[in-house]
Amino acid sequence: AQTVTQSQPEMSVQEAETVTLSCTYDTSESNYYLFWYKQPPSRQMILVIRQEAYKQQNATENRFSVNFQKAAKSFSLKISDSQLGDTAMYFCALKNGGSNYKLTFGKGTLLTVNP
Amino acid sequence: EAQVTQNPRYLITVTGKKLTVTCSQNMNHEYMSWYRQDPGLGLRQIYYSMNVEVTDKGDVPEGYKVSRKEKRNFPLILESPSPNQTSLYFCASSLTGTWDSPLHFGNGTRLTVT
Repeated sequence: AQTVTQSQPEMSVQEAETVTLSCTYDTSESNYYLFWYKQPPSRQMILVIRQEAYKQQNATENRFSVNFQKAAKSFSLKISDSQLGDTAMYFCALKNGGSNYKLTFGKGTLLTVNP
Repeated sequence: EAQVTQNPRYLITVTGKKLTVTCSQNMNHEYMSWYRQDPGLGLRQIYYSMNVEVTDKGDVPEGYKVSRKEKRNFPLILESPSPNQTSLYFCASSLTGTWDSPLHFGNGTRLTVT
């Protein structure tokens, strides 16, 4: 069974500063994808960034980047130059190539960006 | 516009009254799935479908039914809803369902069972 753990239920950051959200995971698969989803108050699930496990280079999408440590099974999300619109619940998720291509989600981290 | 459409957005019902939450996608995706989101638990998969007429259970299928008669539609059926099914429900789809195919989510259905 695969698991995803987000150890920070809530975090806050000042506008324009940088914040890092933690995620650790466990899977027996060698091929898998890791994702960060953002859920703002509108409750829509928005894909922020994704990382292929076999790629050593960390993924980057504008102000969002990840620190992928495969041996440590760690997948943290760094948000630079935080904006008020970044206030949301953030979910880390794991997907592998098993018979059911489901996403296994962490419990989420509520990030509040303060003005 | 490419999207996954769920209806209704909010639903309040009583215990035992059958209900259906509809889900439709216009992206010709093969894979569709239902998740429920509960505080402190994240999202958990209920059912999934790899293609038309192919469905299977996820992690929390008890009390739910699904069908996939057409590629674009994947309704979630609660034959006899109970209060423990009060939750936020998401339908999602992806092109192939393979591990490298991103999942597109609908806007969610907030269900309250009294």
